Amino acid sequence: GAGVSQSPSNKVTEKGKDVELRCDPISGHTALYWYRQSLGQGLEFLIYFQGNSAPDKSGLPSDRFSAERTGGSVSTLTIQRTQQEDSAVYLCASSPTGPSDTQYFGPGTRLTVL
Amino acid sequence: KQEVTQIPAALSVPEGENLVLNCSFTDSAIYNLQWFRQDPGKGLTSLLLIQSSQREQTSGRLNASLDKSSGRSTLYIAASQPGDSATYLCAVRRKSSASKIIFGSGTRLSIRP
Repeated sequence: GAGVSQSPSNKVTEKGKDVELRCDPISGHTALYWYRQSLGQGLEFLIYFQGNSAPDKSGLPSDRFSAERTGGSVSTLTIQRTQQEDSAVYLCASSPTGPSDTQYFGPGTRLTVL
Repeated sequence: KQEVTQIPAALSVPEGENLVLNCSFTDSAIYNLQWFRQDPGKGLTSLLLIQSSQREQTSGRLNASLDKSSGRSTLYIAASQPGDSATYLCAVRRKSSASKIIFGSGTRLSIRP
């Protein structure tokens, strides 16, 4: 079946602009995660959605970052007023029920802020 | 605070050798531990997931062990092949915050034909 998909695969933007990154999880997976992978910081957890529960936002680096998950499926990560330090690969993952399950990762979105 | 360390950062071995990758973590109160591989420019692929109550997991030529008391996990790769070349990442979830996964910095493995 289809895996986790992310769009766009690459995004180049100017400093100060807003960007939206999209994640389509595997159908039926209730848990969805966003991560950021950058050269200086490695892989960092950003946010976790589980069904209709309030998301765990403890990894979001600033209030410029937000995410939503509509209808328990597709998720959008929004970065407002982008900064050069936001440049990274943003990875999305989903799992069937939650933290006890294997996560399946998407290919990522490479964000470059000029 | 949970910290995850992987040593070595890079490893190069000839094809056919058995090898061990190491992962250490500072807080033994973990929920589970997972090993991933990442190929250049790609996302992560899960290899093995070890729950807190388990000591090891096996899949094909891979075997991962977990020793919570010493804060260590090892990934054993038998009869290595050039296709095993990738970066291997260890990731830990704490019991106190199971939704948040903490990654090590990875070991970049190169298998020489």
